[in-house]
Amino acid sequence: GAVVSQHPSWVICKSGTSVKIECRSLDFQATTMFWYRQFPKQSLMLMATSNEGSKATYEQGVEKDKFLINHASLTLSTLTVTSAHPEDSSFYICSARYGGASTDTQYFGPGTRLTVL
Amino acid sequence: GDSVTQMEGPVTLSEEAFLTINCTYTATGYPSLFWYVQYPGEGLQLLLKATKADDKGSNKGFEATYRKETTSFHLEKGSVQVSDSAVYFCALSDLQGAQKLVFGQGTRLTINP
Repeated sequence: GAVVSQHPSWVICKSGTSVKIECRSLDFQATTMFWYRQFPKQSLMLMATSNEGSKATYEQGVEKDKFLINHASLTLSTLTVTSAHPEDSSFYICSARYGGASTDTQYFGPGTRLTVL
Repeated sequence: GDSVTQMEGPVTLSEEAFLTINCTYTATGYPSLFWYVQYPGEGLQLLLKATKADDKGSNKGFEATYRKETTSFHLEKGSVQVSDSAVYFCALSDLQGAQKLVFGQGTRLTINP
């Protein structure tokens, strides 16, 4: 149980185009999902917290107009990288929160590798 | 703010060696503590967790005990295998608000046959 999927697993796009990444919780409902960015050989950096039915909460320094997040349902959150540039190339990972207050755990998707040419 | 510090890697061991990866944390409250593992080319997987002081999390031969007095959550395994080669992340989650995870920098572990 508690499986999270991401689509696509990798994407290559031209500079200036937009890319949408989907994150789905397959066997549970997630009112809260998180989006992370991971640079090579580095830790995960939280970008934003996505709440179903409301606006995402972005971490300091993350451009909300560039990284659009939509949490349309209890099983789906999307991250759209708008007008992508080479510096946006990275590994993007989502997670979904599962469990009650004392057993709360985040389960992670396999990640999406974005390469902007 | 809350933070997690892991021992720096990379760590290289021989098969069947004893493993310890140190992790200490700073938090204002009483967080839940986690170890996640990232195998080459894959996403993060939850390895084990502990939600309160003196709890011991265990999975796949790995163990970690939540030590409030030393603010630590060291990962141990008595006999490592080549298949344990991966990057290990220690993390904490506060129990307030969105319960965001704060990650350590990760420790790359390589096990040689």
